[in-house]
Amino acid sequence: QKEVEQNSGPLSVPEGAIASLNCTYSDRGSQSFFWYRQYSGKSPELIMFIYSNGDKEDGRFTAQLNKASQYVSLLIRDSQPSDSATYLCAVIPSNTGKLIFGQGTTLQVKP
Amino acid sequence: DGGITQSPKYLFRKEGQNVTLSCEQNLNHDAMYWYRQDPGQGLRLIYYSQIVNDFQKGDIAEGYSVSREKKESFPLTVTSAQKNPTAFYLCASREMVFGYTFGSGTRLTVV
Repeated sequence: QKEVEQNSGPLSVPEGAIASLNCTYSDRGSQSFFWYRQYSGKSPELIMFIYSNGDKEDGRFTAQLNKASQYVSLLIRDSQPSDSATYLCAVIPSNTGKLIFGQGTTLQVKP
Repeated sequence: DGGITQSPKYLFRKEGQNVTLSCEQNLNHDAMYWYRQDPGQGLRLIYYSQIVNDFQKGDIAEGYSVSREKKESFPLTVTSAQKNPTAFYLCASREMVFGYTFGSGTRLTVV
């Protein structure tokens, strides 16, 4: 079982819709969770981090964490074509200094 | 401006040659990381260092070596033992709470 798993997609949504990206992780003791956006050929950029169960909102982005289900998600409201990118879920497993990435989900927002 | 600088942006390696990728940060971060990304894949951890003069292997350390003689610098050497080195290499540093900051990457190609 991979430490961090994502559906590689592509996930295609129309402009203005809500995009929902999902991620599961294997280490139940993980404490820190991150979502990065990566445009083709570029380095990842941090868009959200979450440490506590529940929702965290920042503009059009909402991160949701459910530690009991070992599940973290990212919602993007009012999706724009500029949101088209690969979204990487990343987790710091317990008692490590390592950030482990999923394989990423490609999002396509169609005008 | 604070940030992480990777150089060169593009690097070409001949068969059997060692090459060194540079990573410098002026963010005063203690921890630094090297990742490899293959096309359509997530990031895989090569090596990481949480303090000066100390580093640990990640998931794919074979064929790579690092040093951490200064807080600001964490160079990665791709040795001739790495049989498939063509990839996008990303360096990152970590602030304790808010996650990782990435450099702009080095694209290595074997010729």
